[in-house]
Amino acid sequence: DIQLTQSPPTLSASVGERVTITCRASQSINTYLNWYQQKPGKAPNLLIYGASNLQSGVPSRFSASGSGTDFTLTISSLQPEDFATYYCQQSYGDPLFGGGTKVEIK
Amino acid sequence: QLQLQESGPGLVKPSETLSLTCAVSGGSMSSGRYYWGWIRQPPGKGLEWMGSLYHSGTTYDNPSLKSRVTISGDMSKNEVSLKITSVTAADTAIYYCARHGGYSSAFDIWGRGTLVLVSS
Repeated sequence: DIQLTQSPPTLSASVGERVTITCRASQSINTYLNWYQQKPGKAPNLLIYGASNLQSGVPSRFSASGSGTDFTLTISSLQPEDFATYYCQQSYGDPLFGGGTKVEIK
Repeated sequence: QLQLQESGPGLVKPSETLSLTCAVSGGSMSSGRYYWGWIRQPPGKGLEWMGSLYHSGTTYDNPSLKSRVTISGDMSKNEVSLKITSVTAADTAIYYCARHGGYSSAFDIWGRGTLVLVSS
């Protein structure tokens, strides 16, 4: 079974900082990797699909890259509304989510 | 604009069967190449995919749930349903339905979720 490991579990950052979250798969998943943002009390919201494609309506400060087993999500300049939990999800096999990364205010 | 709305009992007793419904509005479930999935999130924890339904009626289940889960659809009502048998406290969670554009695609539209508490 494919495993996904996200790091770090928690990240403290300030507004304006550049933030990077990583997701590692236990085997190659090509570019079948998606990223979601979830705010408290809300459903997850799709940010990135296919490893690097920005979902319509998502701000351009979000970007992502990777293929095979190693993937990254980058927020170029953290905004107040970006404090949330971020999940990666592989869609190569049965859908599976990473454990999440909570981005907190420093 | 496509919208998904989950509904369910809110409170279920241990060992009973949980039944949830997701109503799809603003579009037809039976058109296109879409799959309709259920994902749950225990309080304060991460996301777990439970299974998905293709409009043909084919279903895909998470093997880790050991056949306790049944997903079905009523295309005439534009609804997808989830049943979980023999529930325990570990099934307490927010349950979301979500659309994905293909089995290997991202979940692009989500419902708001419904909280289910398993307790006597």
